[in-house]
Amino acid sequence: ELKVEQNPLFLSMQEGKNYTIYCNYSTTSDRLYWYRQDPGKSLESLFVLLSNGAVKQEGRLMASLDTKARLSTLHITAAVHDLSATYFCADQGGSEKLVFGKGTKLTVNP
Amino acid sequence: DAGVIQSPRHEVTEMGQEVTLRCKPISGHNSLFWYRQTMMRGLELLIYFNNNVPIDDSGMPEDRFSAKMPNASFSTLKIQPSEPRDSAVYFCASSPTMTGELFFGEGSRLTVL
Repeated sequence: ELKVEQNPLFLSMQEGKNYTIYCNYSTTSDRLYWYRQDPGKSLESLFVLLSNGAVKQEGRLMASLDTKARLSTLHITAAVHDLSATYFCADQGGSEKLVFGKGTKLTVNP
Repeated sequence: DAGVIQSPRHEVTEMGQEVTLRCKPISGHNSLFWYRQTMMRGLELLIYFNNNVPIDDSGMPEDRFSAKMPNASFSTLKIQPSEPRDSAVYFCASSPTMTGELFFGEGSRLTVL
């Protein structure tokens, strides 16, 4: 059974601080996705990681993939309030199915 | 370019009524996915299609749920009869390929009283 586990599930941080969200998955997949969801809104694709060692950055967010450890991380640098949202990682699991983690609800406080 | 379009955005109905949710995928995308999102269970894949053919419906909760894709630009998810536990946000997503990045619609928020 495909499993995707994120931690923490809830994260409250102050503006300007750094933090990392972790995503562990159970397959030997080399295809990992990160999505953002604002309250009451749809899911927006942030990063697509397609190989071991892949690193992608967009603004204050950086995602990486370690397929040997079956781990992806989403690092937040110098958080700002606009980053408050729920972040999901999703594993393709070597098949067509995209299985999502439960999400990490991030709140950035002034 | 238009994204994935879902309708209705909100639906409130009474238990036992039939509910039909609609989705228009992005033009040129060959794969279409239906997900359900609840606080308790998170995002669950219900069914997905490739080239209009259902590939895996193992996530459909029970026989009350059915989905069709009569052509490349339209899909429906039907619940008959609806129950309060079906209350959720239903997302449709499309992808250029079966293993590609998913593009989500705005979702249909269903409330069954």
